[in-house]
Amino acid sequence: GQQLNQSPQSMFIQEGEDVSMNCTSSSIFNTWLWYKQDPGEGPVLLIALYKAGELTSNGRLTAQFGITRKDSFLNISASIPSDVGIYFCAGQRVTGTASKLTFGTGTRLQVTL
Amino acid sequence: DGGITQSPKYLFRKEGQNVTLSCEQNLNHDAMYWYRQDPGQGLRLIYYSQIVNDFQKGDIAEGYSVSREKKESFPLTVTSAQKNPTAFYLCATHTGGDDEQYFGPGTRLTVT
Repeated sequence: GQQLNQSPQSMFIQEGEDVSMNCTSSSIFNTWLWYKQDPGEGPVLLIALYKAGELTSNGRLTAQFGITRKDSFLNISASIPSDVGIYFCAGQRVTGTASKLTFGTGTRLQVTL
Repeated sequence: DGGITQSPKYLFRKEGQNVTLSCEQNLNHDAMYWYRQDPGQGLRLIYYSQIVNDFQKGDIAEGYSVSREKKESFPLTVTSAQKNPTAFYLCATHTGGDDEQYFGPGTRLTVT
């Protein structure tokens, strides 16, 4: 099955720095989702984007749904140690009552003091 | 408390044995999903179910089986035919439409 192209694969940043990651696809999605996963846990939803061109914020997080519906980016401002984890993008298509998610390969974020 | 539970958190089995992973939800969601995650990779869809007594194969269904006898439960059986069963398995549910999927805490299966 397809996986989305997500970059960068990993990042080492200092506390207080801003972070940017993005996701691209060869096909269109109805919805873009950004999840964060801590080690040994399930992913937790951070931001959901429903319309092309939409820019959405959630605290220090900002994400955009690309105008072509084939890409999305996530920015984290003023990073803190608890931002450490793996961030996944996911494109969603809905058929009937089910949604099918296609995931990116993840961006591993490590924050140093 | 509303949510998704997966048990056990860690599971160990010998090669050649079938093993069933549990997923229970009390969110009253119609759709349920099983994903597999390998190190350094995103999640890949194994099976999903839109409604009781109905389920469809995902991208990597070979060597797995599921049932959906109750709305609350969607167990996954990893059979001996699955060539590389060691992985982190995640269950998710979905309310419908454009709403997002919610994930359980996962079960890490190790087969030796």
